[in-house]
Amino acid sequence: GAGVSQSPSNKVTEKGKDVELRCDPISGHTALYWYRQRLGQGLEFLIYFQGNSAPDKSGLPSDRFSAERTGESVSTLTIQRTQQEDSAVYLCASSITSGRGRDTQYFGPGTRLTVL
Amino acid sequence: RKEVEQDPGPFNVPEGATVAFNCTYSNSASQSFFWYRQDCRKEPKLLMSVYSSGNEDGRFTAQLNRASQYISLLIRDSKLSDSATYLCVVNNGNTNAGKSTFGDGTTLTVKP
Repeated sequence: GAGVSQSPSNKVTEKGKDVELRCDPISGHTALYWYRQRLGQGLEFLIYFQGNSAPDKSGLPSDRFSAERTGESVSTLTIQRTQQEDSAVYLCASSITSGRGRDTQYFGPGTRLTVL
Repeated sequence: RKEVEQDPGPFNVPEGATVAFNCTYSNSASQSFFWYRQDCRKEPKLLMSVYSSGNEDGRFTAQLNRASQYISLLIRDSKLSDSATYLCVVNNGNTNAGKSTFGDGTTLTVKP
């Protein structure tokens, strides 16, 4: 079946512009995560959506970052007034939270963001 | 202290060697445990889940020690293709609405 997809795959923007990144999770996956990964570094948790619960936004680095998810489907991560330090790969993952295979995260290919 | 801690390495080993990685976690109520593999410039992919009784998949063996709050990954007969970063993942179940936390990873390089 279809995996997690993300768009765009690459985004180059100028400092100060807003960007919107999209994630389409695997159908039926109630949990969705966004991570940031800078070159040569580990995954940095950003935000977690689980069903209809309030999202865990504890990883968002500043108020320039926000994310939304419509039900249990697509999610968008928005970065306002981008800074050069925002340059990274943004990864999305989804999982089920019950039954066989619970909590196994499946990742999309990521969006590589470059802020000039 | 981080919720999930790993030795960053790098581990440089010759082909055929046996190598082991450990990962410690701080939340004693954690319920699910995994090892992921991430190749350079690729997304992480599940290597194996870690079960309480320990589990093996070919050359890979995963162990869980709840009392000491660590998990381990053993790779036997290392291949060049095993070169990657290995990520430990812990899910906190009901204590945190099911959120998973990744370690920073351990880098392995297998040399001819």
